[in-house]
Amino acid sequence: KNEVEQSPQNLTAQEGEFITINCSYSVGISALHWLQQHPGGGIVSLFMLSSGKKKHGRLIATINIQEKHSSLHITASHPRDSAVYICAVLSGNTPLVFGKGTRLSVIA
Amino acid sequence: DSGVTQTPKHLITATGQRVTLRCSPRSGDLSVYWYQQSLDQGLQFLIQYYNGEERAKGNILERFSAQQFPDLHSELNLSSLELGDSALYFCASSGGAIQETQYFGPGTRLLVL
Repeated sequence: KNEVEQSPQNLTAQEGEFITINCSYSVGISALHWLQQHPGGGIVSLFMLSSGKKKHGRLIATINIQEKHSSLHITASHPRDSAVYICAVLSGNTPLVFGKGTRLSVIA
Repeated sequence: DSGVTQTPKHLITATGQRVTLRCSPRSGDLSVYWYQQSLDQGLQFLIQYYNGEERAKGNILERFSAQQFPDLHSELNLSSLELGDSALYFCASSGGAIQETQYFGPGTRLLVL
């Protein structure tokens, strides 16, 4: 069974801080997704990656396949980044398995 | 706006009842996925359809069923509802292959009283 663990569960940061959210998984995967869930409930896909690193604006996602670990970084954090960040993995053709999410609050 | 629509946004019903949740995928997307998000379980995959055919099945209860119609919209039917079925139900769509970005709808919030 593929377990997906995220840390931390909750994170409070001051505006402008650099933030890191971690995701570890237990089996080989074909891809990993980072999702953002807004306070209103809506879910947005941020990244899908299977190796290396991807960057979009102030967000950076990295993955280390050998270590079975991925990180999501937010540079120059802003209150609008407050959300739940969810890691999800694909193993072969099996459907997404989700982590429980990291709740981020950025305070001005 | 992801381009995926779900109706209704909110649904309040009683135990034992049956409800139907509807999803319209993004234009051109052939795959539709259904997910359940409850407070204690987090997000869980229920079922995937691709171009009208069931492609993958997850932790979907026998009381739940789904289908995808020729116009590619999908419906999730929940019957004999229990208190524990209260959750957010999300639909997502993608072009087709499972290894593609999925676009999520706004969700339907179901409350069973």
